[in-house]
Amino acid sequence: AQTVTQSQPEMSVQEAETVTLSCTYDTSESDYYLFWYKQPPSRQMILVIRQEAYKQQNATENRFSVNFQKAAKSFSLKISDSQLGDAAMYFCAFKETSGSRLTFGEGTQLTVNP
Amino acid sequence: DSGVTQTPKHLITATGQRVTLRCSPRSGDLSVYWYQQSLDQGLQFLIHYYNGEERAKGNILERFSAQQFPDLHSELNLSSLELGDSALYFCASSATGGYWTGELFFGEGSRLTVL
Repeated sequence: AQTVTQSQPEMSVQEAETVTLSCTYDTSESDYYLFWYKQPPSRQMILVIRQEAYKQQNATENRFSVNFQKAAKSFSLKISDSQLGDAAMYFCAFKETSGSRLTFGEGTQLTVNP
Repeated sequence: DSGVTQTPKHLITATGQRVTLRCSPRSGDLSVYWYQQSLDQGLQFLIHYYNGEERAKGNILERFSAQQFPDLHSELNLSSLELGDSALYFCASSATGGYWTGELFFGEGSRLTVL
């Protein structure tokens, strides 16, 4: 079974600074998908960024980028120029290529200080 | 707004009772997924329906059941409720079946409190 681990329960960053959230996973699959979801106080889960395991290039979405290290089974999220609206719980998630379920990590609560 | 609608948003009930949570997926989405988010278990996949048929089952208790109707809305039925069932229950939808690679759209969740 796949597992996803987020070792940082809480992180904080100053507005306009950069922060990196860590995620490691365990799988025997060679092809899969990785995601970062954001859960603000409104509770709704919002997709931040997605990475296909077969792609060597790291995904980027505006101020959000990932560092995907397949051999190390590591998938970190970098948030640049942090904004107050980035404050939320961030979840790393894994999906097998052929499966339908997302396996989530425990989450990292990000605080952005003005 | 994701386009996924869940009702009710909040629900308080007593142990031993039965409740039904409802989900309307985004227009055109054929798949509905249910997830449970609790403090001790985190986010757990419960079940996946595609066009009315069960496609995958996760950590769903026997006291829980779900179905997807011809109009594609889904209901999650929770019976013989226990204190530990208190959680946020999410519904999500996607356009395709299990082989989705794009975005999974989540509703705002139904907060269940069992007293």
